[in-house]
Amino acid sequence: SQTIHQWPATLVQPVGSPLSLECTVEGTSNPNLYWYRQAAGRGLQLLFYSVGIGQISSEVPQNLSASRPQDRQFILSSKKLLLSDSGFYLCAWRPLSGNTIYFGEGSWLTVV
Amino acid sequence: RKEVEQDPGPFNVPEGATVAFNCTYSNSASQSFFWYRQDCRKEPKLLMSVYSSGNEDGRFTAQLNRASQYISLLIRDSKLSDSATYLCVVNGGSNYKLTFGKGTLLTVNP
Repeated sequence: SQTIHQWPATLVQPVGSPLSLECTVEGTSNPNLYWYRQAAGRGLQLLFYSVGIGQISSEVPQNLSASRPQDRQFILSSKKLLLSDSGFYLCAWRPLSGNTIYFGEGSWLTVV
Repeated sequence: RKEVEQDPGPFNVPEGATVAFNCTYSNSASQSFFWYRQDCRKEPKLLMSVYSSGNEDGRFTAQLNRASQYISLLIRDSKLSDSATYLCVVNGGSNYKLTFGKGTLLTVNP
């Protein structure tokens, strides 16, 4: 069966520090991968999606970036965090033949 | 008009009650529709897909009205464990991305 893992689960970072969140999917090949953010009191916002290795589409211009160095690995990064980057970050995957997406456990980021 | 708009809630109902959530979407080209459930501080999880003819899964019934661009979720005989935020999700005409509503918080009281 397919599983998705995301880490770290929780982190507290100072303003201006870098960020790296990692996500891996097991048990499938060539999935679509996604990064979403859920800020306090707001809905899920799509940040990036990827349909293949090295292929990244950005939905919202900001100081975050994403990379997909391997088929089942998706990384969210920032060189310098802002207070407004605080939130719940969710990695998700969609099988090539399906429409449903499945989420990882999420990462809680607090920028202080 | 927002891409996906839900009842703002919150809904507070007693155990055993029937509760209905509504959702509208703006993109008439949308092809796929879902309801997700999100517990506090957890990731969203698929509750059910929504099919054109309507579909039922136990106490949960989902309906789609393409002409009105409207989706609904009905929960019968509410349980305490149904307390969660319910998210309406729509494929916005693209195969790659799903758009989420802000969610409706449901609290079922004993």
